[in-house]
Amino acid sequence: EPEVTQTPSHQVTQMGQEVILRCVPISNHLYFYWYRQILGQKVEFLVSFYNNEISEKSEIFDDQFSVERPDGSNFTLKIRSTKLEDSAMYFCASSFSRISYNSPLHFGNGTRLTVT
Amino acid sequence: EDKVVQSPLSLVVHEGDTVTLNCSYEVTNFRSLLWYKQEKKAPTFLFMLTSSGIEKKSGRLSSILDKKELFSILNITATQTGDSAVYLCAVDGGAQKLVFGQGTRLTINP
Repeated sequence: EPEVTQTPSHQVTQMGQEVILRCVPISNHLYFYWYRQILGQKVEFLVSFYNNEISEKSEIFDDQFSVERPDGSNFTLKIRSTKLEDSAMYFCASSFSRISYNSPLHFGNGTRLTVT
Repeated sequence: EDKVVQSPLSLVVHEGDTVTLNCSYEVTNFRSLLWYKQEKKAPTFLFMLTSSGIEKKSGRLSSILDKKELFSILNITATQTGDSAVYLCAVDGGAQKLVFGQGTRLTINP
């Protein structure tokens, strides 16, 4: 069964550094998402992306964050000037169509980001 | 602000028991409710519910939605140790994003 793949599985970085989290969505999916889960807390929406532009973003997704689809297969999340509170599990997800068109999200295994 | 609340937060049962997990929501523009199972890493999709009163079933798991009372339940019969996981409920409020509940941690003891 096709799956969403994320790399790396674990990233450790120092405060103030920039990180790029990478995702390869399911190949025929058109909508892409990033969510994060701080340890012990809810899964939180960050951003959704369709047709090479952001379609929705949360209050968390400020100027520190950016997303890109640099080629036909990868979808990346860049976090600039990382802070301790950015430490979390970051999940990439994709869907074939809009959620409301009976198209559930499929999640990757996540990247655990630790900021020291 | 859209809100999803799950109960109980934690549940411990013996293998073979039947469990019911609850999810209530407050969403301005409800489109659908989804259930996911999260073991160690990726949430894996279980069910998507859009209509009231229609049960969705997959093996020992089933789920139903009540749009009048704004809740859903997930039932697991004849539980097995492999059912141990965090079960997540999420709602699509039409803004191309899911709002998640805090999850129910289910532990099945042999």
